Amino acid sequence: GENVEQHPSTLSVQEGDSAVIKCTYSDSASNYFPWYKQELGKRPQLIIDIRSNVGEKKDQRIAVTLNKTAKHFSLHITETQPEDSAVYFCVSGAGSYQLTFGKGTKLSVIP
Amino acid sequence: ETGVTQSPTHLIKTRGQQVTLRCSSQSGHNTVSWYQQALGQGPQFIFQYYREEENGRGNFPPRFSGLQFPNYSSELNVNALELDDSALYLCASSLGVVGGAETQYFGPGTRLLVL
Repeated sequence: GENVEQHPSTLSVQEGDSAVIKCTYSDSASNYFPWYKQELGKRPQLIIDIRSNVGEKKDQRIAVTLNKTAKHFSLHITETQPEDSAVYFCVSGAGSYQLTFGKGTKLSVIP
Repeated sequence: ETGVTQSPTHLIKTRGQQVTLRCSSQSGHNTVSWYQQALGQGPQFIFQYYREEENGRGNFPPRFSGLQFPNYSSELNVNALELDDSALYLCASSLGVVGGAETQYFGPGTRLLVL
């Protein structure tokens, strides 16, 4: 089955700096790559997604890139704020149902 | 438009018991997926229901079963509970289309503790 590796597992940045989270996947059939943010005790919330026919997507301070040849995708957060502190999950989706989550990155933004 | 809801929020059971968790999908969605999230881990796919039929299953034993109703709400049933079943159970709803991977929106989860 699909395997998603996510790095780093923890990340601390100063407020205003950038944060980068990198993921790899194994299934060539994967074609959908959402990113979820989960605050402590809350539900995962979709923050951005990218599909395999697009290499890069940006939404304000958040950007995702996808390299389908290398099976890499990454999340970039610029001008980080304390409210960006949370666990971020990269996800790989193939077909119409199964989403495979990475193990998560705990991001701490230090004021 | 209403979001995804789950009940109950918390549950305590003992080993060997059975449990039923419930999920109401977001208005307009016809697909519900269930995930198990152990502490400190990412959610793991259990199964998905699309228009009342199971549409895919992850690596979980048969004692994990489910249903989807005509209004697209869903139940997750777990029989013969084990200590390792203690986790946050999340459901996610989406508008399923053939051949496409659609955005899944998560409910708040049910935290199950097995003693």
